[in-house]
Amino acid sequence: AQSVSQHNHHVILSEAASLELGCNYSYGGTVNLFWYVQYPGQHLQLLLKYFSGDPLVKGIKGFEAEFIKSKFSFNLRKPSVQWSDTAEYFCAVDLGAGNNRKLIWGLGTSLAVNP
Amino acid sequence: NAGVTQTPKFRILKIGQSMTLQCTQDMNHNYMYWYRQDPGMGLKLIYYSVGAGITDKGEVPNGYNVSRSTTEDFPLRLELAAPSQTSVYFCASSRTSGRSTGELFFGEGSRLTVL
Repeated sequence: AQSVSQHNHHVILSEAASLELGCNYSYGGTVNLFWYVQYPGQHLQLLLKYFSGDPLVKGIKGFEAEFIKSKFSFNLRKPSVQWSDTAEYFCAVDLGAGNNRKLIWGLGTSLAVNP
Repeated sequence: NAGVTQTPKFRILKIGQSMTLQCTQDMNHNYMYWYRQDPGMGLKLIYYSVGAGITDKGEVPNGYNVSRSTTEDFPLRLELAAPSQTSVYFCASSRTSGRSTGELFFGEGSRLTVL
């Protein structure tokens, strides 16, 4: 069955540390990939997306993600986190086509950044 | 620019009561969704709609109903509230065509408690 795995459920970092959150999916066809962020008490909002082209995509607030097709991965990175990056991060994969199209969500990674 | 608007933001229900969560979007999106979010469980799709007059079940539809009489509105109905329906509910919408379908715009969320 198609699935999205986020390997880290809880991550705690100090400010200025580097961040990498893993996301892997199981599907052999064409995919569109997304990272969403949910700040405490708020709704989800799009952080970045990959549809095609350069596999290294840049999003808001200094985040980037790299699509590695051979590894079915779309890991999220940030070189230096800030306290304001404390949030929950969700990876989502849009796969299939037409009536078989679906959006699969990971369970999320909770990031806490200590000042 | 309102985007996706949900009401109410908070509600406490007694077991067996009924209520409707309202959702409206002003972006002329054909696709609309209802998700529930429980701690550590990510997002679960309750119902979705690909256009006015068309609705379909998601992963966890039991205990809920939806209707889509207009492009803008997608209300979620709880007929006999149960404690298991205590959750945060998010309405979302997305564009119709091609690769943008997976890019969702979320409402602020509705926190429902059933006692």
